Amino acid sequence: AQSVSQHNHHVILSEAASLELGCNYSYGGTVNLFWYVQYPGQHLQLLLKYFSGDPLVKGIKGFEAEFIKSKFSFNLRKPSVQWSDTAEYFCAVSALGNNNDMRFGAGTRLTVKP
Amino acid sequence: ETGVTQTPRHLVMGMTNKKSLKCEQHLGHNAMYWYKQSAKKPLELMFVYNFKEQTENNSVPSRFSPECPNSSHLFLHLHTLQPEDSALYLCASSQDGGWTDRDFGPGTRLTVL
Repeated sequence: AQSVSQHNHHVILSEAASLELGCNYSYGGTVNLFWYVQYPGQHLQLLLKYFSGDPLVKGIKGFEAEFIKSKFSFNLRKPSVQWSDTAEYFCAVSALGNNNDMRFGAGTRLTVKP
Repeated sequence: ETGVTQTPRHLVMGMTNKKSLKCEQHLGHNAMYWYKQSAKKPLELMFVYNFKEQTENNSVPSRFSPECPNSSHLFLHLHTLQPEDSALYLCASSQDGGWTDRDFGPGTRLTVL
């Protein structure tokens, strides 16, 4: 079964700083990749997803992620963060042939200082 | 407002109590899920229902008992829980039981005393 690693548990940035959150997965087959965000007190929301095609995926709120198959990575980026981006971010992977099992990383807590 | 609702939002129960968590999805999806979210741990998939049929049970203890009366409603019945079962329990749904994205509810924060 696939597994997902998020390298940073807690990231603290100042407003306008650039963001990159790492995500690596272990599965050799075809995958779908996701980033979810959980704002304080709110439900998990989909930020962006990759199914196929252009490996650079653009999501909501200025976020993007790049799928690098050779590195089994799907890092999340944003050029300039805002205080309102303070949240927990989860990377997730679902694999063809393992239909019901979407695996999540442990999450990265992002704190943006105003 | 999410298309997946959960009640109650908070629940405190003793180890000998019996309670139920409720989830309802208004999205016309065919698959529903229960996840457990504990601090600093990945979301743990507990149960999957696809077209009302349970298709996955990830070695969850029998003190957790799911019920899916129709494709819009999902319950999690709880009895004789342990303090380590305290967590946020998330319900989710998806268009099919496959590998597409999930829509999540707000969760029920469960505390077992």
